[in-house]
Amino acid sequence: EAEVAQSPRYKITEKSQAVAFWCDPISGHATLYWYRQILGQGPELLVQFQDESVVDDSQLPKDRFSAERLKGVDSTLKIQPAELGDSAMYLCASSLARSGGAAGKDTQYFGPGTRLTVL
Amino acid sequence: TQLLEQSPQFLSIQEGENLTVYCNSSSVFSSLQWYRQEPGEGPVLLVTVVTGGEVKKLKRLTFQFGDARKDSSLHITAAQPGDTGLYLCAGGGAAGNKLTFGGGTRVLVKP
Repeated sequence: EAEVAQSPRYKITEKSQAVAFWCDPISGHATLYWYRQILGQGPELLVQFQDESVVDDSQLPKDRFSAERLKGVDSTLKIQPAELGDSAMYLCASSLARSGGAAGKDTQYFGPGTRLTVL
Repeated sequence: TQLLEQSPQFLSIQEGENLTVYCNSSSVFSSLQWYRQEPGEGPVLLVTVVTGGEVKKLKRLTFQFGDARKDSSLHITAAQPGDTGLYLCAGGGAAGNKLTFGGGTRVLVKP
């Protein structure tokens, strides 16, 4: 069964350092999402791509976070510089359809996440 | 901003007991999804409901979408230790596939 792959699974870094996370969605999935999940809370959308274009990055802290999906396949999320408050699980998800699909018809499949600890 | 509130935040029960988790909002959602997440893993979709008043059953799990599509519940009958996890509800908007997640309910089923 196809899965969303993420790496690394765990990352420990010091504040002010740069970190990068990688996501490989399920083959053929047009839409890719990056979420941040703080311990004990639900996931919060950071950025949504449709193919190589950003659809929604309204919750992405653009002064330090950046995301790209250059060829419309895999994606990288970068934080520079990392801050203590960035410690969280970073989840990637993908879905088959493009934006505007029928309500509830497009399932998001999540990867295992990258747990980031900033010291 | 659409918000989803889940209650309770934490639930600890004995194996064989029943439990209900609630998901409430003041906003209308076009769909409501329930996920279960285990420690160190990503959420896994359990069910999607799209029609007001809809009830879906998956073995011992029963999901209900409120008539006004603002709230939902998840009921587990005869809970087992394997049901332990973080249960998340997520509301879908009219378009764009964007999901708004609730804060989650952590369920612990003790043998």
